[in-house]
Amino acid sequence: QVQLQQSGAELVKPGTSVKLSCKASGYTFTSNHMNWIKQTTGQGLEWIGIINPGSGGTSYNVKFKGKATLTVDKSSSTAFMQLSSLTPEDSAVYYCASRGEFGVEGFFAYWGQGTLVTVSS
Amino acid sequence: DIQMTQSPASLSASLEEIVTITCQASQNIGNWLAWYQQKPGKSPQLLIYGTTSLADGVPSRFSGSRSGTQYSLKISRLQVEDIGIYYCQQASSTPRTFGGGTKLELK
Repeated sequence: QVQLQQSGAELVKPGTSVKLSCKASGYTFTSNHMNWIKQTTGQGLEWIGIINPGSGGTSYNVKFKGKATLTVDKSSSTAFMQLSSLTPEDSAVYYCASRGEFGVEGFFAYWGQGTLVTVSS
Repeated sequence: DIQMTQSPASLSASLEEIVTITCQASQNIGNWLAWYQQKPGKSPQLLIYGTTSLADGVPSRFSGSRSGTQYSLKISRLQVEDIGIYYCQQASSTPRTFGGGTKLELK
């Protein structure tokens, strides 16, 4: 079965960077795009961007350009998201999500468990 | 960006009651609309995609419909396990955007 296993919670200082991971299993990693989504109490759910694990091609929400960088490691079936120049406004739960092997692109049938990022001095 | 306006923001209903949540898209998105359910401390779960198609394992009491750019999620007979927050999401274009959510509680 499809599983997306995300890395653990992070407590980071303002101005620093953090790299989150999302390990995929149960399907061919390079066959599905991986999305990243931010959830906060105030702003709800926000789509950050998408990466094609096969080609490495990316597309970002303009709001997150310069903030988030998406990469993959095909050898370990893992997607990464680096967040830079962190501020308290970046404190959120971050999810990776995918359509799954038989799903429809754009709809998120599979989600990781989420990674809580807290930015505080 | 396409704006998704969801209503109501919160809803209190009784068991076995019919519940309807709506989502208004700011422009034409065709049938590129999904609904998710999120329970406390959990990730969102896909309920409906393509406006009307039920995701795997989703009970048949959930259904989706569309009238123009207004989309609806209907729960035909509310059950205890349906309590949570519901979100709509458009997949017509990027950036993908979500509604603000509807918190469904038991009366």
